[in-house]
Amino acid sequence: KQEVTQIPAALSVPEGENLVLNCSFTDSAIYNLQWFRQDPGKGLTSLLLIQSSQREQTSGRLNASLDKSSGRSTLYIAASQPGDSATYLCAVAGNQFYFGTGTSLTVIP
Amino acid sequence: GAVVSQHPSWVICKSGTSVKIECRSLDFQATTMFWYRQFPKQSLMLMATSNEGSKATYEQGVEKDKFLINHASLTLSTLTVTSAHPEDSSFYICSATSRVGEQYFGPGTRLTVT
Repeated sequence: KQEVTQIPAALSVPEGENLVLNCSFTDSAIYNLQWFRQDPGKGLTSLLLIQSSQREQTSGRLNASLDKSSGRSTLYIAASQPGDSATYLCAVAGNQFYFGTGTSLTVIP
Repeated sequence: GAVVSQHPSWVICKSGTSVKIECRSLDFQATTMFWYRQFPKQSLMLMATSNEGSKATYEQGVEKDKFLINHASLTLSTLTVTSAHPEDSSFYICSATSRVGEQYFGPGTRLTVT
């Protein structure tokens, strides 16, 4: 069974810092990997989707990489802002979705 | 841990028919349930937010008359795709939020409309 782990569970950084969130998964047979953002009490917002054949995707200050063979993905956030404070989830898609445990990010003004 | 189930896991229906998908929280009461869909090779997208006993809040671009959501109890929400068409073929997934704010995801339902 696929297991998805995110490290760290919580992260607090001062505004302006660059940061990296990590996601690891045990079964490399995936269709794609997605990064989501979740604000308290809200549904998920999709940030980046990486197909299994791709290595990375970029959107604005966000860059996500995928190394399927090693079962790892990273989400890089450049020049963090207080508005980036949220929980970040990664999910891998096989025959069903497997979500990671999430990283709670706090960006301090 | 908490479990969210969806039924059916896979359904094929003919164009013009309606399909109901159930989302159940098995061992906790869900104050809020979310419905998502994912088209092939696209991101999972939020469709609507459902609170028990009240009308669902739909995201922009999602037709509320086509995708009927009923959150009749604290453990059950249903999504009915009315008059389904081939373009509605998608992967539908729900999630449920516990009273303490933890969110749990269902395994998804794959809908194919022929």
